Amino acid sequence: DGGITQSPKYLFRKEGQNVTLSCEQNLNHDAMYWYRQDPGQGLRLIYYSQIVNDFQKGDIAEGYSVSREKKESFPLTVTSAQKNPTAFYLCASTPGGSPLHFGNGTRLTVT
Amino acid sequence: KNEVEQSPQNLTAQEGEFITINCSYSVGISALHWLQQHPGGGIVSLFMLSSGKKKHGRLIATINIQEKHSSLHITASHPRDSAVYICAVKSRTGTASKLTFGTGTRLQVTL
Repeated sequence: DGGITQSPKYLFRKEGQNVTLSCEQNLNHDAMYWYRQDPGQGLRLIYYSQIVNDFQKGDIAEGYSVSREKKESFPLTVTSAQKNPTAFYLCASTPGGSPLHFGNGTRLTVT
Repeated sequence: KNEVEQSPQNLTAQEGEFITINCSYSVGISALHWLQQHPGGGIVSLFMLSSGKKKHGRLIATINIQEKHSSLHITASHPRDSAVYICAVKSRTGTASKLTFGTGTRLQVTL
């Protein structure tokens, strides 16, 4: 079955370390997105990519980086520059418009 | 004031009850989404609508563009409907990629 796979489900890191979250889709979707979810807040857009080898900053891109070398993959790196990295991260894709298909998320805890 | 406001924030219902979740927004939109977030964190798209009403099984979504308001109704609620329901809007003036999300309505359906 087609879908979006995010791994790992839970991730623990020490402060100061970079960490990469994986997002893979087999839906043949062109556009992919990374969102961050914090308690009591709506999802916020970190980065998005509408085509391979191209991506754009979202509303809260500082401290994050992405790459889009393959259509299927859109990994997110949380760098040590991100001041509050502990959050729930969701990856999504769409064929070129809505609706979005979401992964099951990665919960990152940085101590 | 948030661009997307949902009410109520929390809702407890008994099995079989008719449920209504509301979403109000302050900007002109091209589409509105209703999403369901399961306890494990994964999100499923329920509806995308720009006018009128849509129905899928026991779920009904309506939108009033003039009043900038949408409702999600669940008929004959069941414990498996327990989840967080999220409203998101695509602004008419924003980029195709930008959705603004509400903070969600947490629904608990008891036996």
